[in-house]
Amino acid sequence: LAKTTQPISMDSYEGQEVNITCSHNNIATNDYITWYQQFPSQGPRFIIQGYKTKVTNEVASLFIPADRKSSTLSLPRVSLSDTAVYYCLVGTAISSGSARQLTFGSGTQLTVLP
Amino acid sequence: SAVISQKPSRDICQRGTSLTIQCQVDSQVTMMFWYRQQPGQSLTLIATANQGSEATYESGFVIDKFPISRPNLTFSTLTVSNMSPEDSSIYLCSVEGTQGKETQYFGPGTRLLVL
Repeated sequence: LAKTTQPISMDSYEGQEVNITCSHNNIATNDYITWYQQFPSQGPRFIIQGYKTKVTNEVASLFIPADRKSSTLSLPRVSLSDTAVYYCLVGTAISSGSARQLTFGSGTQLTVLP
Repeated sequence: SAVISQKPSRDICQRGTSLTIQCQVDSQVTMMFWYRQQPGQSLTLIATANQGSEATYESGFVIDKFPISRPNLTFSTLTVSNMSPEDSSIYLCSVEGTQGKETQYFGPGTRLLVL
């Protein structure tokens, strides 16, 4: 299984750009990198996914270097409502009937301060 | 996106008893997943449940302790059997998402406290 490592916590101020890095040294060729956001008492919510290089959507960007051993989630101009736990997930589908290998990282508690 | 509901949302149970958690999806999905999230921790996959076949369990989780049913494409149950305080956790179901490869939609979770 591809194990992931993230910082336990980060603080930022409103309006700043926040970058959260996830290490996944033994990522497999078929693995995708997915980031989720989780608020207290809620299930995780999909933010962004990538395989290599850079991906951008309306809420975030994901930077993946050529060796794919790490990835960085970038949140532009954070607000107080972005305070949450952010999880990096590396996984791929195994053939039908086999267990999926979906490993969540430890999560990063982002606290946005006023 | 899929809308997922779970019942109960929370419960307090006595050790030695069992609790069945229900997961309902508003659309038909092939794969459903069950996770456990212990207080302050990350999510750990318990098992994958496909309709019409036996659930596939991750290392450290066994069917006798966490039996799963998947009677149709919109519903699944997870039973936590013979509970002990160590089973106190949040249990989440999820379904395959449409945002990309291996993405998931998660339910709100069931918060379980075992006394």
